[in-house]
Amino acid sequence: EPEVTQTPSHQVTQMGQEVILRCVPISNHLYFYWYRQILGQKVEFLVSFYNNEISEKSEIFDDQFSVERPDGSNFTLKIRSTKLEDSAMYFCASRDLERGEQFFGPGTRLTVL
Amino acid sequence: GESVGLHLPTLSVQEGDNSIINCAYSNSASDYFIWYKQESGKGPQFIIDIRSNMDKRQGQRVTVLLNKTVKHLSLQIAATQPGDSAVYFCAETSPTGRRALTFGSGTRLQVQP
Repeated sequence: EPEVTQTPSHQVTQMGQEVILRCVPISNHLYFYWYRQILGQKVEFLVSFYNNEISEKSEIFDDQFSVERPDGSNFTLKIRSTKLEDSAMYFCASRDLERGEQFFGPGTRLTVL
Repeated sequence: GESVGLHLPTLSVQEGDNSIINCAYSNSASDYFIWYKQESGKGPQFIIDIRSNMDKRQGQRVTVLLNKTVKHLSLQIAATQPGDSAVYFCAETSPTGRRALTFGSGTRLQVQP
């Protein structure tokens, strides 16, 4: 069964450093999403991406964040200068054109020291 | 702002019993609801969905009930098994599913053997 994959599973970085989180959505999906989940809290939306552009973003997704689909398979989230409060699980999700269901990856745990 | 929230943070049931997890939403325009299951260290996993033109939908061992009058939905799990132990989130999005998911805060289901 096709699935969303994410790398790395755990990323540790120093405050102020740039990080890139990578996702490979399900191959025939066209909508891509990034969510984050701070430990013990609910999942929060960051950004959605369709047709090579951002279609929606939340207040969390400020100028420090960017997304890119550099090729036909990868979808990346970049945090330019990480802050302590960026520590969270980051989930990538994708969905196809017809169904509303979003399929989630296993997540990347980001720890900012 | 609009929110999707859960009544109980933790639900403990005996193996074999039925479980009921509740969720309240505040956006009367909400049209499409999804229940996700999240096991420890994993991403949210789709369980079942329901659109606002329905009151009930059944899957394998799971049933979702929607009461639009009081803006409440529930997830019923029949014959709960140890493998059902997880955090359960309700989420809401637009009918097409294009809008980002708004998640509730989650209920932890603990199944006692």
